[in-house]
Amino acid sequence: KNEVEQSPQNLTAQEGEFITINCSYSVGISALHWLQQHPGGGIVSLFMLSSGKKKHGRLIATINIQEKHSSLHITASHPRDSAVYICAVHGGSQGNLIFGKGTKLSVKP
Amino acid sequence: NAGVTQTPKFRILKIGQSMTLQCTQDMNHNYMYWYRQDPGMGLKLIYYSVGAGITDKGEVPNGYNVSRSTTEDFPLRLELAAPSQTSVYFCASSTQGPLHFGNGTRLTVT
Repeated sequence: KNEVEQSPQNLTAQEGEFITINCSYSVGISALHWLQQHPGGGIVSLFMLSSGKKKHGRLIATINIQEKHSSLHITASHPRDSAVYICAVHGGSQGNLIFGKGTKLSVKP
Repeated sequence: NAGVTQTPKFRILKIGQSMTLQCTQDMNHNYMYWYRQDPGMGLKLIYYSVGAGITDKGEVPNGYNVSRSTTEDFPLRLELAAPSQTSVYFCASSTQGPLHFGNGTRLTVT
C-alpha cells in the first residue's frame, strides 16, 4: 500500500463545477503540500499546511491530522485549471518528502 | 529572481555515456532536491542537500552522484547511463517552506 494515496486518479469536470481532490496518508507528518503540474510539465507549489485550512483565490486546502486526510477544493472551475494535482507529505526528516501519484483534472468548457 | 534554473531541457544519451544535469537557484535556499518522475508514478527523491557541503541519499540514489559546493548550485551526475534512467528529472529548493521547482530535464537513454 502506498504511503500517500490520492483519489480520484482522473477527474473530468464541466466549467463552473466545484471540484474536490482527496489525499490520505499513513505516516506521521510535519506538513503536507499540494502541487500543480501543468501539461507542459512545470510544477508549482499551491499550498503547504500542517493544520486547518488555507485559501488562495478559488483554491482551498484543508487537512485533518487526526484522520490523516487532506482535500483540495477548486470553486468555479475553469479550463485553465486542467492539470495534474499532486499531494506530498513531509515525514520526519527534511529529505523525507513522499509524493502521491497525482490526480489528473480536465475541465471542459 | 530567476528561481530554480535547470539545464538542459532535453537530452538523449547512449548507454554508458555520462552527463551532468545542472541546477541553480538564486533564492538563497538551504534545501535542494533532485527528483525523478516516471510515467504513472509519483516523484521519487534521488538526492537532497540541507546546505553547502552536505548531501544525502534519497529513495533512488543508485547510478547518480551529487555535489553542493555552493548554496546556489546542486548538479546531478550520471556516470554510466542506463535505459532505466530514462525519466524526467526535477530540481527543487526550499527554506523549510513551499518547494520551488525547476522546469525539468527530459532524459532518454538508448
